Amino acid sequence: KNQVEQSPQSLIILEGKNCTLQCNYTVSPFSNLRWYKQDTGRGPVSLTIMTFSENTKSNGRYTATLDADTKQSSLHITASQLSDSASYICVVSDSSGGSYIPTFGRGTSLIVHP
Amino acid sequence: NAGVTQTPKFQVLKTGQSMTLQCAQDMNHEYMSWYRQDPGMGLRLIHYSVGAGITDQGEVPNGYNVSRSTTEDFPLRLLSAAPSQTSVYFCASKSAGGSSYEQYFGPGTRLTVT
Repeated sequence: KNQVEQSPQSLIILEGKNCTLQCNYTVSPFSNLRWYKQDTGRGPVSLTIMTFSENTKSNGRYTATLDADTKQSSLHITASQLSDSASYICVVSDSSGGSYIPTFGRGTSLIVHP
Repeated sequence: NAGVTQTPKFQVLKTGQSMTLQCAQDMNHEYMSWYRQDPGMGLRLIHYSVGAGITDQGEVPNGYNVSRSTTEDFPLRLLSAAPSQTSVYFCASKSAGGSSYEQYFGPGTRLTVT
């Protein structure tokens, strides 16, 4: 069964600090990996997407890495801001079949304190 | 573009009642889906549709019905609400061009069944 595990479950940091969130997956055959940001009370919004051949993708202060050999990804947030407080969800898609049925991680809840 | 819209934002039902959660998108996306999000769990797929007139079951379809009569609309029906269906429901849509195309989420419907 396809699985996506995220760590830590929650994280508290001070404004201006950096942090790294982790995602391990057992999805096969791998197609792509996305990181979403979900603000409280809102739907998820895509931050980055990486395919098998990509190992780094940036979106402003967000940088995602992918190691397809070890099936691990990380999301690094630089110079955190209060608005970064949210849940960050790792989502992995497989390339089997014709339907889009991604596997979602449980998310990491990030709180940025002033 | 309004993107993906959902109504209502909040709903309280009594056990045994039925209701329909509405979802509409104005991006001419072929693929639409319904997820539920429960505390401490990743988003779970309820039902999905790859085009008008075509629907299929996801991971947790029991107790829910869907239909897709138009490209724009994808309503989710709760036949006889149960407390276990208390959750936040998200509708999403994407182009059918492959898993690398972005999936857009609606703002969610928070449902409480008493």
